Amino acid sequence: SYVLTQPPSVSVAPGKTARITCGGNNIGSKSVHWYQQKPGQAPVLVIYYDSDRPSGIPERFSGSNSANTATLTINRVEAGDEADYYCQVWDSSSDHVVFGGGTKLTVL
Amino acid sequence: EVQLLESGGGLVQPGGSLGLSCAASGFTFSSYAMSWVRQAPGKGLEWVSGISGSAGSTYYADSVKGRFSISRDNSKNTVYLNMNSLRGEDTAIYYCAKESVDMATIDAFDLWGQGTMVTVSS
Repeated sequence: SYVLTQPPSVSVAPGKTARITCGGNNIGSKSVHWYQQKPGQAPVLVIYYDSDRPSGIPERFSGSNSANTATLTINRVEAGDEADYYCQVWDSSSDHVVFGGGTKLTVL
Repeated sequence: EVQLLESGGGLVQPGGSLGLSCAASGFTFSSYAMSWVRQAPGKGLEWVSGISGSAGSTYYADSVKGRFSISRDNSKNTVYLNMNSLRGEDTAIYYCAKESVDMATIDAFDLWGQGTMVTVSS
């Protein structure tokens, strides 16, 4: 089955740039989606189809996807960005949705 | 208002059964695939099952295949998850989630419910 690998944690100072990676075999050939989940809340879609932002998501959030790594980039990080972030793909070979293990973003 | 509202969670004994419902409002329900995603306490997200807008296609995670069944009633704007032979590892918050693109198969989820807790314990 297809596996997505994320770092368990990323730390960044306010105002700096956070990059969260999502590794998978030839993930560049798939569409990658990213979710933000704050404690006690449901996930929120922040990036879909590699780099598109849903309405209401700040331009500070961006995504890229190439080869074996997809990346969520958060510019000018704010305290309110502290959350768990999950990448996700649809694996057409198994007809399964696959989530990465999640990355806890800590704002120092 | 565009929203999803889950119900039906609760405490069930191992080996028991439970049915979850997710009522949708604010969008053309029949045009969108729907999924159930769960999250065990302190753990990450795990996709459970999905169903196309027409209910012609259903999909299941290996961990629940043969035990869980997904269905939908487009006249009631509701998607269901019927869970049988429940195990301790099925304990989780169960979210229902809407596909982001109409008339598409399962891909990105742009709307989530607040979730309903299922606890499997004796």
